Order: sequence, then structure tokens, then C-alpha cells
Amino acid sequence: QQQVKQSPQSLIVQKGGISIINCAYENTAFDYFPWYQQFPGKGPALLIAIRPDVSEKKEGRFTISFNKSAKQFSLHIMDSQPGDSATYFCAATLQSAGNNRKLIWGLGTSLAVNP
Amino acid sequence: AAGVIQSPRHLIKEKRETATLKCYPIPRHDTVYWYQQGPGQDPQFLISFYEKMQSDKGSIPDRFSAQQFSDYHSELNMSSLELGDSALYFCASSPRPSGGASGDEQFFGPGTRLTVL
Repeated sequence: QQQVKQSPQSLIVQKGGISIINCAYENTAFDYFPWYQQFPGKGPALLIAIRPDVSEKKEGRFTISFNKSAKQFSLHIMDSQPGDSATYFCAATLQSAGNNRKLIWGLGTSLAVNP
Repeated sequence: AAGVIQSPRHLIKEKRETATLKCYPIPRHDTVYWYQQGPGQDPQFLISFYEKMQSDKGSIPDRFSAQQFSDYHSELNMSSLELGDSALYFCASSPRPSGGASGDEQFFGPGTRLTVL
């Protein structure tokens, strides 16, 4: 059972448009929610992250909106550019023994931004 | 800024052979994670180490083992390789919590692409 559900599976956006990717989780013990960007054949790159005590976080063109009561969070990419074309993963973690925080991943969204 | 280093970047092995993947975390990062990513899939957590001790174990086959050394680098040893082991293997590292870092962030290396023929 997928602990973090991500949608849509794929997304096509025009240059300059807004890309929106949604994620939902069940485990209320999760306390850290990162988004990763991955280009083909490359390692995931940490894009932006949020904690449940914050409803929104913005870094440049990227914004996370977090709804704790609904157990949902989303990534908004403003003014989407062709260079943003990549696979985006949402994830969630909770701290266990030591400094351990294994990532629980969504299935990913393949974003294509048309020029 | 220094990043996570993984070697080799590409590896081709035959079935039933062994492979060793190496990971060098970002300096002053004491936690290392290993993930396996199949084509078109999300990364799957294999195993993690904190201060040279195994801290968590995920879907890692018994044919695989790993350890973290005194200099914090980690090695993933894979034996009796199977066709299904062909994947990208990522290592990620996290800093110890301090004034400037929460310790929650995981920074990924470029990965090792393993192909088993």
C-alpha cells in the first residue's frame, strides 16, 4: 500500500504556466515533507521541504502548500520553464532511531513544459 | 559545495557475480542511506547507517550487505547478482543536527547504474 499518494502521474504545461502536483499521506506521524526533482539518469535533487506546523513555504518559483487536517500537500511551480521538465517526487519522513529518516516516496510525476 | 560521491558510475556484471558500490557522503554528514530505483519507479529504501551503525533496514535482499566505515563512507556489497538487480543505486547523506541544519535533509549522489547481463 502506497503510504504517499501522488498525482497526476504525468503533466504537460505551457511555458509560463503553473504546474501543480498533489500528494496525500495517511501516517500522521510524518513530520517532514520534501520534494525532489530528478532528471533522467541523475540523482534526485532536494527542491524544497516543509514541516506540518507551516501551511506554506515559498522558494523562488517553487511553493509548497500544506493542509494538515486534510493530510495533503502540493507543489506549485510558477512561470514553468522548459528546463523544469523532469520527474518530481514528493516524500515524507518520520524520525526513528538515531538520525534515521528513511524517505517514503510518492510514485512521481513526469512534468513536460512545452516551449 | 561538496556533494555525495558514488563509484563506480556504471557497472556491468554477469548473473551470479558480485558487485561492490561505494558512497562517500558530504563532509560532516554522519548518516548514509541506500536506495534502489528501477526504470520509471520511485526509489526504494534499502538500508541506512548512523554513526557507523546500521539504523534501519528496508527491502534489501539477503544477498546484499552494507557497512559504514570509520571515515563515514559506505559500501553496498551485492552477491549472486540476478537480472532483476539491474537498477540505479543511489546513496544519500544527511548532516547531524546542528545550528545550521536540522538533520532531516537527504542529499543524493549521482547514482551507480548497475546492469546485470
